Amino acid sequence: GNSVTQMEGPVTLSEEAFLTINCTYTATGYPSLFWYVQYPGEGLQLLLKATKADDKGSNKGFEATYRKETTSFHLEKGSVQVSDSAVYFCALSGSAGNMLTFGGGTRLMVKP
Amino acid sequence: DTEVTQTPKHLVMGMTNKKSLKCEQHMGHRAMYWYKQKAKKPPELMFVYSYEKLSINESVPSRFSPECPNSSLLNLHLHALQPEDSALYLCASSPSSGKNTGELFFGEGSRLTVL
Repeated sequence: GNSVTQMEGPVTLSEEAFLTINCTYTATGYPSLFWYVQYPGEGLQLLLKATKADDKGSNKGFEATYRKETTSFHLEKGSVQVSDSAVYFCALSGSAGNMLTFGGGTRLMVKP
Repeated sequence: DTEVTQTPKHLVMGMTNKKSLKCEQHMGHRAMYWYKQKAKKPPELMFVYSYEKLSINESVPSRFSPECPNSSLLNLHLHALQPEDSALYLCASSPSSGKNTGELFFGEGSRLTVL
């Protein structure tokens, strides 16, 4: 079956530091890949997505590239802000439709 | 309007109570979902409605009863819950439950505490 593995957190960074959150997946066929973000006390929001190999998703300074050869979709940001503090979930949607398989989530804490 | 609205935001109930969680969207989406999220865990899918019909039930105990009165509304009826059912319940919607889109719009959730 499908699965998503993320680096465990928490990840603690200083403001303006470079961020990488690793995500690898196992899936049959050609899944779509997503990063969702959950700010404290809120629901999940779609941050970015990629639907085929070598696609790069980007939003709000975050980027992730769909790497089929390494089955990875790592999230990066060049300069984090305190307001980026949240839990980040990597997810995939496979050929069975819109059912999302989530990774375990990575908590990011950015200190001023 | 790109919002999914959930009420109530917080709910405390006893094990013998009957209560309901409500979810509403006006984006014209035809698929709606209930997820359960425990602290520091990812959301777990409970139910999926597609075109107002229940299409997926992830072996959820019968003390949780979903209802989709129309394409904009989704309810979750709660009865005889257990303390371990305390969690954040998230509603989501998507344009359809079709293949490979995966873009869900989530509400802010209803935080349930069962005493």
